[in-house]
Amino acid sequence: QVTLKESGPVLVKPTETLTLTCTVSGFSLNNARTGVSWIRQPPGKALEWLAHISSNDEESYSTSLKSRLTISKDTSKSQVVLTMTSMDPVDTATYYCARNYIIVAGDYYMDVWGIGTTVTVSS
Amino acid sequence: QSVLTQPPSVSEAPGQRVTISCTGSSSNIGAGYDVHWYQQLPGTAPKLLIYGNNNRPSGVPDRFSGSKSGTSASLAITGLQVEDEADYYCQSYDSSLSASVFGGGTKLTVL
Repeated sequence: QVTLKESGPVLVKPTETLTLTCTVSGFSLNNARTGVSWIRQPPGKALEWLAHISSNDEESYSTSLKSRLTISKDTSKSQVVLTMTSMDPVDTATYYCARNYIIVAGDYYMDVWGIGTTVTVSS
Repeated sequence: QSVLTQPPSVSEAPGQRVTISCTGSSSNIGAGYDVHWYQQLPGTAPKLLIYGNNNRPSGVPDRFSGSKSGTSASLAITGLQVEDEADYYCQSYDSSLSASVFGGGTKLTVL
């Protein structure tokens, strides 16, 4: 059974750096047909794709947030980590990680999602 | 503004048919990239509903179907049930952004 679980702080202060961890099970982060994405959803708003990492460590980022994001993975721990710098109250959201099934390079769908973790940015 | 445009809301009576559109451009749907659809029930994580334009994952009822033409795609739901009330999102890849993109979401109300 494929599962993903997000973990990280519930509350961060403005200007701080957020670090979120996605722990996966039931599949390998080395599988060539899969990757992992991070997606967020502010309260009452739409989904926003943030970043993706592939099995061979290729990274891609949202154009608007690229300067603030870093995605990495530790295959031995079955974990994918997302860091976001300079947090602001507008970054308050539920953050999801999801497994990507890769059709061709860049073209993939998110076939299994974690339950999400809610992050509030406030002083 | 989302790169993929969806109507904010649609509503229909139980048992009826509804379609949700997803309009893109020549750098995403029109470039031949697949469209995928997700269902988000209230208070839950999104769930894959349709992948590769018109394929249903195991367990998704055949009341749900997808199609794609030109720079647009559509999700159709037949035999509407109250439990279909949810937010629906389309997703594709955009070559000019080199990024995955979501639509703004459509809230389905089953009256």
